Amino acid sequence: GAGVSQSPRYKVAKRGQDVALRCDPISGHVSLFWYQQALGQGPEFLTYFQNEAQLDKSGLPSDRFFAERPEGSVSTLKIQRTQQEDSAVYLCASSLAHGGNTEAFFGQGTRLTVV
Amino acid sequence: EDQVTQSPEALRLQEGESSSLNCSYTVSGLRGLFWYRQDPGKGPEFLFTLYSAGEEKEKERLKATLTKKESFLHITAPKPEDSATYLCAVNPSGQNFVFGPGTRLSVLP
Repeated sequence: GAGVSQSPRYKVAKRGQDVALRCDPISGHVSLFWYQQALGQGPEFLTYFQNEAQLDKSGLPSDRFFAERPEGSVSTLKIQRTQQEDSAVYLCASSLAHGGNTEAFFGQGTRLTVV
Repeated sequence: EDQVTQSPEALRLQEGESSSLNCSYTVSGLRGLFWYRQDPGKGPEFLFTLYSAGEEKEKERLKATLTKKESFLHITAPKPEDSATYLCAVNPSGQNFVFGPGTRLSVLP
């Protein structure tokens, strides 16, 4: 597709349930980022992939969060045993190159609500 | 620690009333200063990248400028459709965009 695609757009999970969020980056983009955005705040970094390698996962808030990009394209962010504080919008972005001097393009996000 | 702050937090303008948004940054090494626009319920939309002090870029009613410690987003004669949250970000490590909290702009007709 022309842009970054995320699914589902909305997810309601019961506390304790596991969820999986999918990101389809722009074709050919090497770098892929996951961000968490709380209401009224800027996006907060979670993790970064260069192709299939997860080079930075310093932003993952706990070991309940896990991300993968096994073939260097589609990525999945998994949250185990969801808690209310996990409620947020999860944004995926991709950029053409590695190195920080190229812009990233974002998907529409997945709004996760934990009840 | 790499840090980005933005001011004001919120801004209300009348249609046609020009103004500027500020982004201040403290980073170990600047590889680019990025401006994004975010509409409610959507992901951030890329606007500009600035690489060096003195650089300017323009797009329609928006002009972004960069100094060694801050960037400004100038909005000339805004229209209601310019209402959005404007985010700035840096990526000093190449692996992590650090975003500011954003400025919520409302342009009233």
